[in-house]
Amino acid sequence: DQQVKQNSPSLSVQEGRISILNCDYTNSMFDYFLWYKKYPAEGPTFLISISSIKDKNEDGRFTVFLNKSAKHLSLHIVPSQPGDSAVYFCAASDMGGGSNYKLTFGKGTLLTVNP
Amino acid sequence: DAGVIQSPRHEVTEMGQEVTLRCKPISGHNSLFWYRQTMMRGLELLIYFNNNVPIDDSGMPEDRFSAKMPNASFSTLKIQPSEPRDSAVYFCASWGGGTGVHTYNEQFFGPGTRLTVL
Repeated sequence: DQQVKQNSPSLSVQEGRISILNCDYTNSMFDYFLWYKKYPAEGPTFLISISSIKDKNEDGRFTVFLNKSAKHLSLHIVPSQPGDSAVYFCAASDMGGGSNYKLTFGKGTLLTVNP
Repeated sequence: DAGVIQSPRHEVTEMGQEVTLRCKPISGHNSLFWYRQTMMRGLELLIYFNNNVPIDDSGMPEDRFSAKMPNASFSTLKIQPSEPRDSAVYFCASWGGGTGVHTYNEQFFGPGTRLTVL
């Protein structure tokens, strides 16, 4: 049973436009969410995170939005650049439950930014 | 810092053979994770060590899989005997830790070992 779902396996956008990657979760105990980016033949690297006490976190071109009532988060990349082409993983953690080490990952979304 | 180091980067073996994957975490990190990535299941946690002690091995698929961390700078994941369904990319990650709610929880991943069992 997938507790973190990324329903779009792939997304293609034009350079300069906005990329929106979506993630849904089912476990109401999750209170910390992260996005990782992965290039081919490399390990995932941390991109941005958000705590459940917030509904938005911004870092440069990257913004993550959290809608707790809908159990939904999204990653916005504006403007998108060809170097952003990668697989993006959404991950969630139950920080308050004593297992803050454990990240549950979605299956990833392949983003392709076309020049 | 060289980051998390994994070896080998690629491994091709035949069914029934023993496979050993190796990991060197980031110096000073007291937590180490082994993950497996497959198309069907995505990225899943196999086992978690804290201060060299296995804390959570609930993700280890079966007895054919075993992991050790003899010291703070080295860990192995062994599959014996290997089967074709074990083919996947295996990642090691390390973490400097942190406690409490809302603690920054970035794990640093190695480049992975791509395992192919024929």
